[in-house]
Amino acid sequence: DIQMTQSPSSLSASVGDTVTLTCRASQFISKFVCWYKQRPGEAPELLIYATSILESGVPSRFSGSGAGTDFALTISSLQPEDFATYYCQQSYSPPYTFGQGAKVEIK
Amino acid sequence: QVQLQESGPGLVKPSGTLSLTCAVSGDSIRSGYWWTWVRQSPEKGLEWIGEIFQSGSANYGPSLRSRTTISIDMSKNHLSLTLTSMTVADTAVYFCARVKGGGLGGMDVWGRGTTVIVSS
Repeated sequence: DIQMTQSPSSLSASVGDTVTLTCRASQFISKFVCWYKQRPGEAPELLIYATSILESGVPSRFSGSGAGTDFALTISSLQPEDFATYYCQQSYSPPYTFGQGAKVEIK
Repeated sequence: QVQLQESGPGLVKPSGTLSLTCAVSGDSIRSGYWWTWVRQSPEKGLEWIGEIFQSGSANYGPSLRSRTTISIDMSKNHLSLTLTSMTVADTAVYFCARVKGGGLGGMDVWGRGTTVIVSS
């Protein structure tokens, strides 16, 4: 199985900050990475697919980058609704594994 | 607007079989997407269980493959998950989701999830 390792596991930030979450794959996965946001008690919500393509309706302050094994999700100008847990997922080879999550908390 | 709704027993006995259904509304299950099951527990996080296409072709994760069957019922516009030999480790929230755009697309529509507890 391809392992997806996210860092940091959690961070504290303030409204208006820019944060970058990273995800490293245990092997080459080209651009087959998605990012999801999840709030407590809710289902995950697709933010970005194919590394950098913004899902319809997702604010442009979210952006994705990377290729190969190293990927990043950047949130510019954090808003109150952005405090949540974020997951990366590889869709290169089944099983389509997820990272362990990165919790963004209010400072 | 596409909506997915999981249903099934909230409680399963150890060694028992879990059967869940995911009802699809607002879209046809034959519309060319893959449909997937994912579960989430505090111990394992988000875990991909498997996926199925309208043709019935399915892929499963290796850790659960021997106990898992995903099927599709076009007449009812729903997909199903069967997981046998349940243990406490299978306690989780189970989600169904639609996969857009083949491998690159991601899971763009999710059900709200259904909690399954394995206990005697």
